[in-house]
Amino acid sequence: DAGVIQSPRHEVTEMGQEVTLRCKPISGHNSLFWYRQTMMRGLELLIYFNNNVPIDDSGMPEDRFSAKMPNASFSTLKIQPSEPRDSAVYFCASSGGQLSGNTIYFGEGSWLTVV
Amino acid sequence: SQELEQSPQSLIVQEGKNLTINCTSSKTLYGLYWYKQKYGEGLIFLMMLQKGGEEKSHEKITAKLDEKKQQSSLHITASQPSHAGIYLCGADKDGGYNKLIFGAGTRLAVHP
Repeated sequence: DAGVIQSPRHEVTEMGQEVTLRCKPISGHNSLFWYRQTMMRGLELLIYFNNNVPIDDSGMPEDRFSAKMPNASFSTLKIQPSEPRDSAVYFCASSGGQLSGNTIYFGEGSWLTVV
Repeated sequence: SQELEQSPQSLIVQEGKNLTINCTSSKTLYGLYWYKQKYGEGLIFLMMLQKGGEEKSHEKITAKLDEKKQQSSLHITASQPSHAGIYLCGADKDGGYNKLIFGAGTRLAVHP
């Protein structure tokens, strides 16, 4: 299995620009998660989808952040406009629920730097 | 909400030594996950514990969940440089197996 695939792996952008991060979950998984990792706050859950439907977005920091899952094999996390404090590693993860032993698999992450 | 405390924050050991990392919860854990992360990489799933008293092993790493399901330990036997990295424990904040919150992590260095 290819695992959770994220793109881009690294992005440097200027403040005010739109950033789109992409994720392809493991085939057959019905849950998808977006996390953000920083030195100060550690690993934080931003949003959780189940069967392509957003279930819990209470971790999304503000309206500048939005996430979509148009189908079972693709999700995006968008930041518009981006700010320097958004610099972090953004992880996507997926799970097949009980069918996969409730294991949650993470992608390699997207390293975002906003200057 | 559930909070996870990890200890120690960092650990430096000599190759061949045993070590233990702890993860303590303020609430009962329904599923406790252990992950390993190397700098610049994603999280690698190690083990998941569900039942009180459960113990799982993979190669030289053993994880346990106490009977009260509020504390877990990760034990590495005869550590090697390849064990170096950040170890993170995670648990669902609402008592399920989905919306994981994580501890701050334990940074492990293993010196040859």
